[in-house]
Amino acid sequence: QSVLTQPPSASGTPGQRVTISCSGSSSNIGSNTVNWYQQLPRTAPKLLIYNNNQRPSGVPDRFSGSKSGTSASLAISGLQSEDEADYYCAAWDDSLNGWVFGGGTKLTVL
Amino acid sequence: QVQLVQSGAEVKKPGASVKVSCNTYGYTFTGYYIHWVRQAPGQGLEWMGWINPNSGGTNYAQKFQGRVTMTRDTSNSTAYMELSRLRSDDTSVYYCAREVGSGSQNWFDPWGQGTLVTVSS
Repeated sequence: QSVLTQPPSASGTPGQRVTISCSGSSSNIGSNTVNWYQQLPRTAPKLLIYNNNQRPSGVPDRFSGSKSGTSASLAISGLQSEDEADYYCAAWDDSLNGWVFGGGTKLTVL
Repeated sequence: QVQLVQSGAEVKKPGASVKVSCNTYGYTFTGYYIHWVRQAPGQGLEWMGWINPNSGGTNYAQKFQGRVTMTRDTSNSTAYMELSRLRSDDTSVYYCAREVGSGSQNWFDPWGQGTLVTVSS
């Protein structure tokens, strides 16, 4: 059971906009920034969004992040087939004194 | 560019230990914490702990305390993760990742390619 809660799956058709939620608590998302990682099939995770809503260089602006209270969201607009991957949210947890992840959301492009 | 390159796959018997290495390139090794994260087959990511390559200080997730040891060799910019008393449910891909950022705003970038550790009799 993951500390951060994500839906196990999401889907959309090419060109659509999809959002993935990440729910936590006051000890993690409520008091620290949220990062998102993209894991393409059979590869290592890659940083997608950091500090709630910042994109590393090279990440398309189709990807955006937001945070409110103890929840965060990842939005992907103009969905493309290459976006098919697993997406994980992560945050530092002050009570556990460690990093916690969401269980991951498998995005399918129909 | 910044790269983390891990050692190859391992097969171990239950009760044995495994030591995975993470060779770093393209940055000052002692300037950034290294974290270890594992992923069981078909499962999500699980944080194991970090090492401060400068001081050697460590912080382990409670689940792994007593079984995990993280070390480093500054002479060759390499971090190590050793897990002992292996069980079948330790079968996972183990990743190292560099922590970037400052204060309470940090993230992992980049990640190593992963090392598959299989525990089987």
